[in-house]
Amino acid sequence: DQQVKQNSPSLSVQEGRISILNCDYTNSMFDYFLWYKKYPAEGPTFLISISSIKDKNEDGRFTVFLNKSAKHLSLHIVPSQPGDSAVYFCAAIINNNDMRFGAGTRLTVKP
Amino acid sequence: KAGVTQTPRYLIKTRGQQVTLSCSPISGHRSVSWYQQTPGQGLQFLFEYFSETQRNKGNFPGRFSGRQFSNSRSEMNVSTLELGDSALYLCASSRRGGNQPQHFGDGTRLSIL
Repeated sequence: DQQVKQNSPSLSVQEGRISILNCDYTNSMFDYFLWYKKYPAEGPTFLISISSIKDKNEDGRFTVFLNKSAKHLSLHIVPSQPGDSAVYFCAAIINNNDMRFGAGTRLTVKP
Repeated sequence: KAGVTQTPRYLIKTRGQQVTLSCSPISGHRSVSWYQQTPGQGLQFLFEYFSETQRNKGNFPGRFSGRQFSNSRSEMNVSTLELGDSALYLCASSRRGGNQPQHFGDGTRLSIL
């Protein structure tokens, strides 16, 4: 069962503009969320996380927003750079147990 | 600091065979998790080991098994391979698991012919 969904398989953005990657989840018990970035032939690397007690967390160009009532989280990248082109996975955790990942969104940032 | 190391990087097997994949976590990391990545399915959680004990398990059949050694190195075994087992298998480690961000290896690409 896909408890974490990334409904957009791909996203294309112009360099310098904002990239918004979306993620929906079905289980209201998830209490911690993370975003990972993955380049081809490499493992995912951790980007940013947010606890369910917060609604926003910012780290440089990356901001994650959490809307618990809508069971939705998003990752904003601004300004987008060509080096940001990668597959982005959102992940969710319940009670320190197994991490559930979405299917990923391929972001392409065009120069 | 060395990252998570997975061996081999690529593996080709035929249906019915079995395979063992290896993962060496970052030094000091005691939690090791395994994931299967297939196109369109994202990363599917297989299991997590902590201090040589399986702590969590995903929804995979019993053909998928693993173990962890006292030095935190982990192996994953898949028996009676099926065509659908073709995937990228990723290993990730963290100090304690739970909410800690995981550090991933580059994966083992398993192809079943």
